[in-house]
Amino acid sequence: GAGVSQSPSNKVTEKGKDVELRCDPISGHTALYWYRQSLGQGLEFLIYFQGNSAPDKSGLPSDRFSAERTGGSVSTLTIQRTQQEDSAVYLCASSPHPGTSGLGQYFGPGTRLTVT
Amino acid sequence: ILNVEQSPQSLHVQEGDSTNFTCSFPSSNFYALHWYRWETAKSPEALFVMTLNGDEKKKGRISATLNTKEGYSYLYIKGSQPEDSATYLCAYNYNQGGKLIFGQGTELSVKP
Repeated sequence: GAGVSQSPSNKVTEKGKDVELRCDPISGHTALYWYRQSLGQGLEFLIYFQGNSAPDKSGLPSDRFSAERTGGSVSTLTIQRTQQEDSAVYLCASSPHPGTSGLGQYFGPGTRLTVT
Repeated sequence: ILNVEQSPQSLHVQEGDSTNFTCSFPSSNFYALHWYRWETAKSPEALFVMTLNGDEKKKGRISATLNTKEGYSYLYIKGSQPEDSATYLCAYNYNQGGKLIFGQGTELSVKP
């Protein structure tokens, strides 16, 4: 079946512009996660959605970052007024539901964001 | 601060060598330890998820062990092949279904 998909695969934007990154999780997965990997850094948690619960936004680095998940499926990560330090690979992952996190999280291919 | 450390940062081996990597994580409030393999231009792929102290898991030539009391996990690759070249990530989570806290990864390069 289809895995997690993300779009665009690459995005180059000018400093100060807003960008939207999209994630389509695996159908039926209730949990959705956003992570990012900046150059030379490990994967860093950003935000986590679980069903209809309030999202865990504890990893968002600033109020320029926001995310929503519509209809319990597709998610959009929005970065406003992009800065050069936002350049990173942004990864989305999904998992079936908390009780089966033992199966791991399924990752998409990522969006490489470059802010010039 | 919850910190996950991996060593070495990078490793270059010859085809046929066996190798191992270390992941250390907080031993308190442990729920699960994950190993992922991430090849360039691909999605990270789950290798193992381990939850119990003393867990050992195996997938082909790759195996992993877990010690939750002292907070470490080892990943072993027996008879490395060029196709094993990738970054190996470990990640820890402290509650069911929650976020993963990743180490910085071990980059493995296997030369033919």
